[in-house]
Amino acid sequence: GDSVTQMEGPVTLSEEAFLTINCTYTATGYPSLFWYVQYPGEGLQLLLKATKADDKGSNKGFEATYRKETTSFHLEKGSVQVSDSAVYFCALSDRGGSYIPTFGRGTSLIVHP
Amino acid sequence: DSGVTQTPKHLITATGQRVTLRCSPRSGDLSVYWYQQSLDQGLQFLIQYYNGEERAKGNILERFSAQQFPDLHSELNLSSLELGDSALYFCASSVARQGSTDTQYFGPGTRLTVL
Repeated sequence: GDSVTQMEGPVTLSEEAFLTINCTYTATGYPSLFWYVQYPGEGLQLLLKATKADDKGSNKGFEATYRKETTSFHLEKGSVQVSDSAVYFCALSDRGGSYIPTFGRGTSLIVHP
Repeated sequence: DSGVTQTPKHLITATGQRVTLRCSPRSGDLSVYWYQQSLDQGLQFLIQYYNGEERAKGNILERFSAQQFPDLHSELNLSSLELGDSALYFCASSVARQGSTDTQYFGPGTRLTVL
């Protein structure tokens, strides 16, 4: 079945540091890939998405590129802020499969001033 | 604000009891999804409804059931509650029937505590 694997957290960074959160996936069909963010006490909200190989999703300084050859969708940001502290979820929805959305376990990011 | 509302925000109950969680999707969204988020299991998809019909089923226990009403709001019923059912329950909505490229909009969640 489909699965998403994210790096374990927490990831702790100083403000303005470079961020990478790794995400790899397995899917039986042709997945769309997503990053969602969950701020403390809130629900998840979409950060960015990519629907086909080599697509790059970007939003609020975050980027991720859909790499079919390495089945990866790593999240990056060049300079993090304290306000980026949150839990980040990688997810897929498989168009050739069941369409049931599959989420990773989430990676907590803590940014210190 | 995602436009998805969930009530109640918090719920504390005892083992063996039954509770109902309510979700109102964003205006215009026809699909509703239910998720359970716990520390040990992460975010688990439970069930999806589209325009009143069950569309997809995930890791939903037989003690749990859901429905979507003609006005598109949805309810998740949890019965014979156990300590392990304590979790955050999220509702999400999207426009379409098959959410392969759809963005899901999440509500703020209902925190259920079973004592």
